[in-house]
Amino acid sequence: NAGVMQNPRHLVRRRGQEARLRCSPMKGHSHVYWYRQLPEEGLKFMVYLQKENIIDESGMPKERFSAEFPKEGPSILRIQQVVRGDSAAYFCASSPRELATEAFFGQGTRLTVV
Amino acid sequence: AQSVTQLGSHVSVSEGALVLLRCNYSSSVPPYLFWYVQYPNQGLQLLLKYTTGATLVKGINGFEAEFKKSETSFHLTKPSAHMSDAAEYFCAVSDTGGTSYGKLTFGQGTILTVHP
Repeated sequence: NAGVMQNPRHLVRRRGQEARLRCSPMKGHSHVYWYRQLPEEGLKFMVYLQKENIIDESGMPKERFSAEFPKEGPSILRIQQVVRGDSAAYFCASSPRELATEAFFGQGTRLTVV
Repeated sequence: AQSVTQLGSHVSVSEGALVLLRCNYSSSVPPYLFWYVQYPNQGLQLLLKYTTGATLVKGINGFEAEFKKSETSFHLTKPSAHMSDAAEYFCAVSDTGGTSYGKLTFGQGTILTVHP
């Protein structure tokens, strides 16, 4: 059973471009959480999704950021018109239920905006 | 609202010495508590977790933590540090129910350095 797969592992984007981060949850997991780790900081919750539904996006910036988790395929975190301040590590975690006790984290995508 | 405070952003110990990483939390409901380890450029690996029951929790790699409700603490310890323990450690809390949906609130992290 493969773990949570995130790709790409490293992503470099120029200011103004779009970044797409993908997260494939573990088999049988229908709950996905996205977190952002800014340099020198801990992880901050961004969004919680179940298949085809956004449940909680209270941690998402109001503009330029969006997330989806379609019926088929991975969860996508999309950042439009990236700025230098978006440079961070983005982690997703998946769980079979809405319990943090059963969540597993991916290796993360490290986004660098130049 | 929940919060987590990790006392000391950097902790340095000698190989073989006791490791003590401090974590205090605040939560309006009984919490679930977690310690994660992150090696450079890697993801988060769960060390241990407290849900219910025994307040002393044993985890991987010889680490353990004790849930002390009266002190709202969940400090992480290891009797004898090894060079391979050098990493960043995160304490986290989640609600046990309600509308929290299982999301985690993390502390700022503590970087553990182990020197020979």
